Amino acid sequence: NAGVTQTPKFQVLKTGQSMTLQCAQDMNHNSMYWYRQDPGMGLRLIYYSASEGTTDKGEVPNGYNVSRLNKREFSLRLESAAPSQTSVYFCASSEARGTKSEKLFFGSGTQLSVL
Amino acid sequence: QQPVQSPQAVILREGEDAVINCSSSKALYSVHWYRQKHGEAPVFLMILLKGGEQKGHEKISASFNEKKQQSSLYLTASQLSYSGTYFCGTGDSGGYQKVTFGIGTKLQVIP
Repeated sequence: NAGVTQTPKFQVLKTGQSMTLQCAQDMNHNSMYWYRQDPGMGLRLIYYSASEGTTDKGEVPNGYNVSRLNKREFSLRLESAAPSQTSVYFCASSEARGTKSEKLFFGSGTQLSVL
Repeated sequence: QQPVQSPQAVILREGEDAVINCSSSKALYSVHWYRQKHGEAPVFLMILLKGGEQKGHEKISASFNEKKQQSSLYLTASQLSYSGTYFCGTGDSGGYQKVTFGIGTKLQVIP
């Protein structure tokens, strides 16, 4: 089982460039998440998708867009990258549905640098 | 809003015990605990659901007091492998599937 797969693992962008981070899970999970991790800030939720066809903002959504393409895939797009978006990005998925919370499975992360 | 974790860092000698606390200003439906080693993804330890239960995972256990909107993670007889950053994640009235993490507690176990 691959679990949660993120691509790319590393990326360097120039300010103003755009890019999409891809995430796919093969566990038939309902919920998917995008977090960013910065030193001293912990894991901050950017967007999440509680089910196919729905997306909701997290704590730090500004500058990002997401697409829940199907049940397996949840992509994160930076339309015009800024140095403040330099971070490690983690995608996660969970079997959670309705009012039931379940554990998160994390991908291995994407190290993004914006120059 | 991120839950508040304390302490932010702790150093233990092998065999010592530690407690990491997590609190929220919101009513909680669930509390998750994860451990992350440097350069790796967070790994699930346990999840506690509304009901005040206590769970265990080897020598690591946790409690959840929903009235106080708090959870504590207990590490007993620490081992070198326990080193890492511990995160609590909370699900609250803002959305059952929405999981918000604290800034983490860095734990270092030394021989």
